[in-house]
Amino acid sequence: EAGVTQFPSHSVIEKGQTVTLRCDPISGHDNLYWYRRVMGKEIKFLLHFVKESKQDESGMPNNRFLAERTGGTYSTLKVQPAELEDSGVYFCASSQEWTSGWNTGELFFGEGSRLTVL
Amino acid sequence: AQSVAQPEDQVNVAEGNPLTVKCTYSVSGNPYLFWYVQYPNRGLQFLLKYITGDNLVKGSYGFEAEFNKSQTSFHLKKPSALVSDSALYFCAVRAKVSGGYNKLIFGAGTRLAVHP
Repeated sequence: EAGVTQFPSHSVIEKGQTVTLRCDPISGHDNLYWYRRVMGKEIKFLLHFVKESKQDESGMPNNRFLAERTGGTYSTLKVQPAELEDSGVYFCASSQEWTSGWNTGELFFGEGSRLTVL
Repeated sequence: AQSVAQPEDQVNVAEGNPLTVKCTYSVSGNPYLFWYVQYPNRGLQFLLKYITGDNLVKGSYGFEAEFNKSQTSFHLKKPSALVSDSALYFCAVRAKVSGGYNKLIFGAGTRLAVHP
């Protein structure tokens, strides 16, 4: 079974440009999460999709960030225009289900997309 | 507010010695606690979790973690470290959000360096 895949693995852009990151979750996983880690800091939650719906986008930094998950399969995270502070590693994770109850909330992570804004 | 603290940026240990990576948490309700590991150029991998039951939980690669409710801690341990254990370790706690859904809140990570 294929794991969570992310593309690109590394992107270097200049301030003001646009970048789109893509995540393909494990097939059948309804829950998809985006996280970001800035160098040396904690892995911060950005948002959570349940199928195609945004369940929680409380971690999105500002309106320069736009996440979509059309059809409830893969997701994209677009940063437009990129700023220097957007540099970091963007992780995508998925899980089959995560509601209150006995599901333990283990997430399956991709390898991350490293974004460098110059 | 729900949070996780990993007080050590880096832990150095000699191969064969026991290791401990510290984690404390703050969460409302019963905690669901996790450890993840990130090897170089890889994604985060699940190591182990505490949901309920025994305070000592065992996970992958010989790691274990001890849940201590009174100290709100969930330290990661291994009796005998290997050089291949060198990686970045993240502690996480489940945070409940509206609608019955959940998300993980992570600490800043601790780099474990095991020397031959």
